[in-house]
Amino acid sequence: DGGITQSPKYLFRKEGQNVTLSCEQNLNHDAMYWYRQDPGQGLRLIYYSQIVNDFQKGDIAEGYSVSREKKESFPLTVTSAQKNPTAFYLCASSAGQGQETQYFGPGTRLLVL
Amino acid sequence: GQNIDQPTEMTATEGAIVQINCTYQTSGFNGLFWYQQHAGEAPTFLSYNVLDGLEEKGRFSSFLSRSKGYSYLLLKELQMKDSASYLCAVRDQGGSTLTFGKGTMLLVSP
Repeated sequence: DGGITQSPKYLFRKEGQNVTLSCEQNLNHDAMYWYRQDPGQGLRLIYYSQIVNDFQKGDIAEGYSVSREKKESFPLTVTSAQKNPTAFYLCASSAGQGQETQYFGPGTRLLVL
Repeated sequence: GQNIDQPTEMTATEGAIVQINCTYQTSGFNGLFWYQQHAGEAPTFLSYNVLDGLEEKGRFSSFLSRSKGYSYLLLKELQMKDSASYLCAVRDQGGSTLTFGKGTMLLVSP
């Protein structure tokens, strides 16, 4: 089955700890995206990548880092610099720039202990 | 930048028709998307408009007026499973990113 997978479904972070959220797609999509969703807020773009080994900051990149070493993988690290990390994190992918639709993974809910 | 407005909540009755509006003010425009999101789940794609007019897909239709910065999603023959949040998103001029509205929570009652 083709699709986007995110793991884990739930993740707990201690104060001062970095955590990495996984996002994998087997759709052969060029572009991948990370969003954050808070209650009552829309999806906000953290980082995106249009091609392997390249990525750009979105609207709320501070306290986050990404890598794009492989086409199918776009992991997101939530660093200790992110002071309010509790949120629902969604990964998406699209075939590329232009008219293509973004498709979403199931999401990871991050909670701070 | 982009500014997107949607009503926060709407209620409707099973079997009825509901229209969810979305207005946007943008520095560039390259298409408008509607997504459905059930609580705790990922958004799923519903429709895409880039030209003015109505796009129909089964019980769902979406309309766009670029001159007015306005779109709506029309849901017919409402079912209980249509209770969800509906997200309006605008693609930027470069085609790289989407800006999402805060979503409209639709509650369908029997």
